[in-house]
Amino acid sequence: DAGVTQSPTHLIKTRGQQVTLRCSPKSGHDTVSWYQQALGQGPQFIFQYYEEEERQRGNFPDRFSGHQFPNYSSELNVNALLLGDSALYLCASSLYANQPQHFGDGTRLSIL
Amino acid sequence: AQSVTQLDSQVPVFEEAPVELRCNYSSSVSVYLFWYVQYPNQGLQLLLKYLSGSTLVKGINGFEAEFNKSQTSFHLRKPSVHISDTAEYFCAVSVYNNNDMRFGAGTRLTVKP
Repeated sequence: DAGVTQSPTHLIKTRGQQVTLRCSPKSGHDTVSWYQQALGQGPQFIFQYYEEEERQRGNFPDRFSGHQFPNYSSELNVNALLLGDSALYLCASSLYANQPQHFGDGTRLSIL
Repeated sequence: AQSVTQLDSQVPVFEEAPVELRCNYSSSVSVYLFWYVQYPNQGLQLLLKYLSGSTLVKGINGFEAEFNKSQTSFHLRKPSVHISDTAEYFCAVSVYNNNDMRFGAGTRLTVKP
């Protein structure tokens, strides 16, 4: 039973570029959340998707956007990258909101 | 909004000693509480959760935590740690009908031989 899978594992971009990160949820899960984890800090909630709609959003600018597909997989898009966007981006899935979330290993994004 | 404070950024301990990692939360409504562990270059793994019911929660790898509503705490304990328990530990809180799970800054547990 595959857990949450994320791709790519590492990515290097330059300021101003755009990036797309991908996530496949654990089998049977229908809710996907995205988190940003800066070095030495805890994860911060970006947004959550359910039934292909953004259900809730954290305190992140509109440069961060997402999408959920009919098969429950999800993408995180970040436009106009800033140096401060360098972080580990974690995807988590669950069955319904507020249920324990299962995390992927993350995508390490470095901005030069 | 709910929030979490992990009171110790680093906890060094010798192998086979007991350990307690402290977590306090703030919320005006009922909460769900979680402890996650993160090993280097990996995502977060759920150790245990409190959703309702018994305030003493047992998790994986011999860890347990106690929900104390009056002290707004959810401390994580293990009676005897192993070298393999060396990792970063995160306390997290969420509330009903709010999908914004808030994490603490983490506690780095280092188990020494």
